[in-house]
Amino acid sequence: AQKITQTQPGMFVQEKEAVTLDCTYDTSDPSYGLFWYKQPSSGEMIFLIYQGSYDQQNATEGRYSLNFQKARKSANLVISASQLGDSAMYFCAMRDMRGYTGNQFYFGTGTSLTVIP
Amino acid sequence: DSGVTQTPKHLITATGQRVTLRCSPRSGDLSVYWYQQSLDQGLQFLIQYYNGEERAKGNILERFSAQQFPDLHSELNLSSLELGDSALYFCASSSPKGGTNEKLFFGSGTQLSVL
Repeated sequence: AQKITQTQPGMFVQEKEAVTLDCTYDTSDPSYGLFWYKQPSSGEMIFLIYQGSYDQQNATEGRYSLNFQKARKSANLVISASQLGDSAMYFCAMRDMRGYTGNQFYFGTGTSLTVIP
Repeated sequence: DSGVTQTPKHLITATGQRVTLRCSPRSGDLSVYWYQQSLDQGLQFLIQYYNGEERAKGNILERFSAQQFPDLHSELNLSSLELGDSALYFCASSSPKGGTNEKLFFGSGTQLSVL
């Protein structure tokens, strides 16, 4: 079963507008972490933001915020005031707590974001 | 710069050949992960090492093997290469501290082309 689902293969947003990239996850562990990574055309994977399952508040990092809805098992990334440099693939990921044996990060299939001038 | 170094950046080889991809983790990171990213498969977890020992295994083919050395660098060996092995191979490192906030820091990847 898919642990991470990103249903938007591609998204477009006007420069300076906000955009929400969807992510839903599946785990039975009460303790887990959610991550978003950005992959520009140059190929590297860049860590953007982290949300822990016990965190009471939504995570924010500059123009990035994570809309965490635990009951719905969703962890949407919100990018405010989009810039041309935000055009990239965005991956949602989850790490559940299996201790140090069998630890894995699960990645979604990604959403390609294009910012239009 | 993530601090994770991968070499080479690009590799072009022929079917049936064997190649070795190298990864140096961030200073202090004990865990190394290998991922394969292809257009049709997305980001696939291959294998994880922690302080020299294999910790977790994902969708790694028997033709592929990896190890982590005492200085913590890691190598991914791909043998009997097939056209379908063409992909971007990532190494990532982390410092497990027992919490869910263990972040992965990725290298810039090795683009493998099998002709």
